[in-house]
Amino acid sequence: EDQVTQSPEALRLQEGESSSLNCSYTVSGLRGLFWYRQDPGKGPEFLFTLYSAGEEKEKERLKATLTKKESFLHITAPKPEDSATYLCAVQTLTQGGSEKLVFGKGTKLTVNP
Amino acid sequence: DGGITQSPKYLFRKEGQNVTLSCEQNLNHDAMYWYRQDPGQGLRLIYYSQIVNDFQKGDIAEGYSVSREKKESFPLTVTSAQKNPTAFYLCASSNRAGGAKNIQYFGAGTRLSVL
Repeated sequence: EDQVTQSPEALRLQEGESSSLNCSYTVSGLRGLFWYRQDPGKGPEFLFTLYSAGEEKEKERLKATLTKKESFLHITAPKPEDSATYLCAVQTLTQGGSEKLVFGKGTKLTVNP
Repeated sequence: DGGITQSPKYLFRKEGQNVTLSCEQNLNHDAMYWYRQDPGQGLRLIYYSQIVNDFQKGDIAEGYSVSREKKESFPLTVTSAQKNPTAFYLCASSNRAGGAKNIQYFGAGTRLSVL
């Protein structure tokens, strides 16, 4: 069964304190890995998509990397506005041949000023 | 302004009542999806549709129904058979580009509660 595990469940940082979030996955055939940001009471906002091991994407203070078994979301010098829940999802195939996303439970990040 | 509109933002269901959640997109996307989000759990797929007049059950379809009569619209009905409907419901759409390019974009969600 396809599975996505995110760690830690929650992370508290001081402003400027860099850290990383982890997303490990076991899927029958990876067709893409996605990172989303979700603010309380809102829908997820797309951040990055990765496909090949060794691939990296950057956006402001965030950098996503991908290996064959896991992905990391690195946050450099975070600010309070980076506080949110970060969701990881992998793209796999359904039995009918359609693509679908399997989501992890998310990491809730709090950045204190 | 392109995007996905979900309505209402909040919805209350009485015992034995069916309720319908609206999802409209103007992104010209072929595929649309419905997810359910519960506290401490990942998003779970309820139904999805790759093209108009076609849809498939996701992982937790029991107690829900959908229709896809127009490309822009994918309403979800929560029936009285769904015994635990309280959750945050999210609609998404994608262009079916394939693999890592098949990015799903989400609406703002509808929070459903039982009275």
